[in-house]
Amino acid sequence: AQTVTQSQPEMSVQEAETVTLSCTYDTSENNYYLFWYKQPPSRQMILVIRQEAYKQQNATENRFSVNFQKAAKSFSLKISDSQLGDTAMYFCAFTSNTGNQFYFGTGTSLTVIP
Amino acid sequence: DTGVSQDPRHKITKRGQNVTFRCDPISEHNRLYWYRQTLGQGPEFLTYFQNEAQLEKSRLLSDRFSAERPKGSFSTLEIQRTEQGDSAMYLCASSLVGNQETQYFGPGTRLLVL
Repeated sequence: AQTVTQSQPEMSVQEAETVTLSCTYDTSENNYYLFWYKQPPSRQMILVIRQEAYKQQNATENRFSVNFQKAAKSFSLKISDSQLGDTAMYFCAFTSNTGNQFYFGTGTSLTVIP
Repeated sequence: DTGVSQDPRHKITKRGQNVTFRCDPISEHNRLYWYRQTLGQGPEFLTYFQNEAQLEKSRLLSDRFSAERPKGSFSTLEIQRTEQGDSAMYLCASSLVGNQETQYFGPGTRLLVL
């Protein structure tokens, strides 16, 4: 069975600083996808970044980047130049290459402090 | 492209009543997923459709829950004889076969069972 673990329930960061959110997962599959989703307060979940397991290069999307360590089954999210609008719950998620089921972690609540 | 929509956004019901939620996916998306999210937790997979076929159901989906997608477009999730433990956010997501690993979420329906 696939599991996704986020060990940081809450984090805070000063505006303009950098923060890293941690995620580990467990799977016996070789081909899969990992995601970070952002869920602002009372708003819908949006995709931040995705990573294909077969790609060694870490994904980046503007201020967001990941550190994907396949052997360690680790997938952390780095947010650079944090902005107030980054305040949200962040979920790490996993799916196999068939996309039949998605597995989410319990989330990390990030607060950006002005 | 108007995104995934869900209706209603909020529902309050009394224990024992039946409720039905609707999800309209992104128009060309042929996969549709239902999730349940309780406070402080990540979304939990319930079921998914490819076109009108329901291909997978979680063990979380008890006999009181039923989902349909009769014409491969919108979907409904019905909960019969609601219980207080059914109180949660019900999320719908859609994706495109060929890119099924990337899901787009709706705003959710928040259910409160009194």
